[in-house]
Amino acid sequence: NAGVMQNPRHLVRRRGQEARLRCSPMKGHSHVYWYRQLPEEGLKFMVYLQKENIIDESGMPKERFSAEFPKEGPSILRIQQVVRGDSAAYFCASSPIALEQYFGPGTRLTVT
Amino acid sequence: KQEVTQIPAALSVPEGENLVLNCSFTDSAIYNLQWFRQDPGKGLTSLLLIQSSQREQTSGRLNASLDKSSGRSTLYIAASQPGDSATYLCAVKVPREYGNKLVFGAGTILRVKS
Repeated sequence: NAGVMQNPRHLVRRRGQEARLRCSPMKGHSHVYWYRQLPEEGLKFMVYLQKENIIDESGMPKERFSAEFPKEGPSILRIQQVVRGDSAAYFCASSPIALEQYFGPGTRLTVT
Repeated sequence: KQEVTQIPAALSVPEGENLVLNCSFTDSAIYNLQWFRQDPGKGLTSLLLIQSSQREQTSGRLNASLDKSSGRSTLYIAASQPGDSATYLCAVKVPREYGNKLVFGAGTILRVKS
């Protein structure tokens, strides 16, 4: 059973471009969580999704950020018009029925 | 609002020492508490998970305790080794009615010197 997959592992974008981060949950997991780790800081919750539904997006910035978890395919975290402050490691976690969360290796976004 | 604090922020010890990492949280209404290890530039590895009804969990040289009423957890590492060098993160899971999310501390950076 493969773990949580995230791609790309490293992403470089210029200011103003769009960043798309993908997360494939573990097989059988229908709950996905996104967390962001800014340099020298702990992980902060961004959004919690189930298939086709956003359950809690209280940690997501109101502008430029969006997330989805379609019926088929991976969960996508989308950042529009990236700024330098978006540079961070973005981690995805998945769980079955809202139990223990299993983390992916993360996507490290660098905005130049 | 749940807040998690980890002390110390950094720790450097000689190989072989027993050590304790501390974690405190402000709201005792938690679902569980989890300790993770993070190596530089890597993802998170779950070390121990303690359900809110439990007092401690053990895995090899690691022992984690939970005192929910006082809002504290400790991670005890016995006979530390250079390979234990990493950042250790404590996270509490808020109850389902508050969204199931994990609230993390800032971490303790551990360096074990050979």
